[in-house]
Order: sequence, then structure tokens, then C-alpha cells
Amino acid sequence: QQQVKQSPQSLIVQKGGISIINCAYENTAFDYFPWYQQFPGKGPALLIAIRPDVSEKKEGRFTISFNKSAKQFSLHIMDSQPGDSATYFCAAVTDKLIFGTGTRLQVFP
Amino acid sequence: DTGVSQDPRHKITKRGQNVTFRCDPISEHNRLYWYRQTLGQGPEFLTYFQNEAQLEKSRLLSDRFSAERPKGSFSTLEIQRTEQGDSAMYLCASSEWTGNTEAFFGQGTRLTVV
Repeated sequence: QQQVKQSPQSLIVQKGGISIINCAYENTAFDYFPWYQQFPGKGPALLIAIRPDVSEKKEGRFTISFNKSAKQFSLHIMDSQPGDSATYFCAAVTDKLIFGTGTRLQVFP
Repeated sequence: DTGVSQDPRHKITKRGQNVTFRCDPISEHNRLYWYRQTLGQGPEFLTYFQNEAQLEKSRLLSDRFSAERPKGSFSTLEIQRTEQGDSAMYLCASSEWTGNTEAFFGQGTRLTVV
């Protein structure tokens, strides 16, 4: 019940395309859903986050869509750039963060 | 404030030795978390503190692992009698007083047990 399932495991996108990463959870006690970006050898960096009373949040090229009834949320990266190539983790939070397994995104020019 | 700071960045140790890592959180943050991350995996929860109180420790965590946060400021994570399976990135994060606010991670300590 504490798991967060993330897909796909890896994603290859052309520059300028849309990258979409999906996550699903079971525990309805989760009340905060952040996304993190991680480059090799670095710690995860907070990208964008959403609370369950909101269905969508947009910051620049990054958008979270949240479906409370389906217990699913997704990250959309618009106009993907080579610099976006990294591993992305979704997380769900009660008193601590529970992470998904990660998606390795590669954006080719 | 420059964010969450971890020391050392890299540690190589022989099997059976003890190691200690330090984490300095963002100064106003009451919560401090420790996570472990192996290659290709998401960070795995180890333990967290609210000020100086250790509120939760993962049931998967061996009793060779211990963490402290004296005076509610910096924290240390000690691993006794290290094993090769302890090789991983150890991440520290901090947040304001509740869990459902932004948590910021340090750069991690990469442990290699040989």
C-alpha cells in the first residue's frame, strides 16, 4: 500500500517533443506529490509538486496532471530539450517521501 | 543558506569497518530524512527526525545502522561492520516542520565497501 508505481522505465524523445511520465499509488493518505529530477552523481532536485485538491499545476515547460479518483498523476515536459536528459522520480508523501522507481529520459537533438 | 550539505562526498572502506556520514540541513528546517539509493533505483527511506527526535526508522534497516540528530541541527548516520551490500549513495534531505512540504536533498555520500 506504500508503493508508488512509475512508468515507463526509460523514455526517448526527440528535441521539441512532449515527454510523459506516469505514476500510480494506492494509499489515499498521501497528500503531497512532488517530482524530482536527478543527474548522474547528484542528489535529486525538486522540480514541481502538487496537492490532491488541484487537478493540474504548470510551471514553465513542466506540468503535473493529477487524477484523484484514479489515484494517478503524471509529469508532462513540453518542448523537451537535450538538457532535460536525466532520471525523473515521482514521489508521494505522508510524513515521509515514498519514491517511484524512476524514469530515465533521453532527449535527442 | 546554500542548501543541504553532506560530508564526505565519497567514502571507500574495507568490509567490517565502521563509517559515519554527516548531514547539515537547511537552517530553518525541522525535519531531516536519510535515504539510500542504489544504481537504477529510487531513493529508499531509512529514517527521519523532527528536530532531535527520531520519529521513524525503516523496518528494513539493519541494527548496524544508527542515526542521531543532537540539538536538532546536523545529523550523523553511522554504519557499523560494513558489508558489500551497504555500497550505495546515502542521501540526506530536509524540510519544514511537516512532511508534506518541499523536501530538499543534498548531493549525497557515495559509499563503496571493498
